[in-house]
Amino acid sequence: NAGVTQTPKFRILKIGQSMTLQCTQDMNHNYMYWYRQDPGMGLKLIYYSVGAGITDKGEVPNGYNVSRSTTEDFPLRLELAAPSQTSVYFCASRTGSDTQYFGPGTRLTVL
Amino acid sequence: AQKITQTQPGMFVQEKEAVTLDCTYDTSDQSYGLFWYKQPSSGEMIFLIYQGSYDEQNATEGRYSLNFQKARKSANLVISASQLGDSAMYFCAMSVSGGYQKVTFGIGTKLQVIP
Repeated sequence: NAGVTQTPKFRILKIGQSMTLQCTQDMNHNYMYWYRQDPGMGLKLIYYSVGAGITDKGEVPNGYNVSRSTTEDFPLRLELAAPSQTSVYFCASRTGSDTQYFGPGTRLTVL
Repeated sequence: AQKITQTQPGMFVQEKEAVTLDCTYDTSDQSYGLFWYKQPSSGEMIFLIYQGSYDEQNATEGRYSLNFQKARKSANLVISASQLGDSAMYFCAMSVSGGYQKVTFGIGTKLQVIP
């Protein structure tokens, strides 16, 4: 039982490039979330999903897209990377209980 | 709208002593949950403790306890017998039950344990 896994751990992008951050959970959780954490700040919700095929925007969705074709996977797509997207990205999941469990994070730098 | 306030940017505590990290919250919902997460320098987010708004007893998990004062809208984390490994950022968070369970995080408190 690996919990929530994220790849890659680190990535440097050039302005305008695109990439996909991968998130997988093996706990059969329905709810999945993407957060970003800027330096010295708490987490802000980018997108969330309540189950396969259902996604919706969080607080800071601009510049990102998501999909949820399976219960296990919830990838986050950056289409045109900008320096403002330099951040640490966390994926999380939960069942019907309130507690969210986080992946280890992806540190992204856009230069 | 939900809001979490953590007013202590940084705290120091002597090893083996207890420390309280402050958290106040604001919500108009009656049903909500309060969480504390630990983020060590390695970066991962570690769940510590949870308190539901209808729970009458304060939550405890080992050396962690949550001092829940509903009327004051506070949810302070108490760490007893601090250890060097407790040095980390600590985030208070709140979720509103139902729907997708939006979670709102505070900006965190950096705790340093001194030998």
